[in-house]
Amino acid sequence: KAGVTQTPRYLIKTRGQQVTLSCSPISGHRSVSWYQQTPGQGLQFLFEYFSETQRNKGNFPGRFSGRQFSNSRSEMNVSTLELGDSALYLCASSPGAGRPYEQYFGPGTRLTVT
Amino acid sequence: DQQVKQNSPSLSVQEGRISILNCDYTNSMFDYFLWYKKYPAEGPTFLISISSIKDKNEDGRFTVFLNKSAKHLSLHIVPSQPGDSAVYFCAASSNSGYELNFGKGTSLLVTP
Repeated sequence: KAGVTQTPRYLIKTRGQQVTLSCSPISGHRSVSWYQQTPGQGLQFLFEYFSETQRNKGNFPGRFSGRQFSNSRSEMNVSTLELGDSALYLCASSPGAGRPYEQYFGPGTRLTVT
Repeated sequence: DQQVKQNSPSLSVQEGRISILNCDYTNSMFDYFLWYKKYPAEGPTFLISISSIKDKNEDGRFTVFLNKSAKHLSLHIVPSQPGDSAVYFCAASSNSGYELNFGKGTSLLVTP
């Protein structure tokens, strides 16, 4: 099976702009989670979607949003970018039904805000 | 508030010896624990997991031990190989949520 894919891999934006990142999960996986990785904070959970519904959300401001489509592909959006939003954004997928389950990560999108 | 802690930012081990990576957690609601390995420019790769009903799980060279009373888990790699050099993340989840709570990682260097 193909793994989790994320596009774009690298992105440079200016403060105040908005950005949309895309994630395609492993075929058959219905859950998609997003994480932000920074050197200071490590990997932090943003939100998780299952069957187009957000089931859980991390402690991030409302500028961070996401959605999932009927084919399980997901997008996350960050509006009014701040310098502190510079990070590696990781998407992970899992079957999503029942526990326990492991999450499988994509390579990430490196966002740089200048 | 960091609920999963990896107090050793780095570890250096000789090839063939045992690598022991440690992880502590504070949330008693966590009932499932995972270890991930991450190479530069790649996403984390799932290694091994353990449920709170067990105290040990093995998969080849990798063994995870869980001590619930101490809220501590460890990953043993035996024997260590240079290809094991990577950042290792400990993660935990609870039945009430769908997210993984990660530690900040331990960078393992296995020297020939």
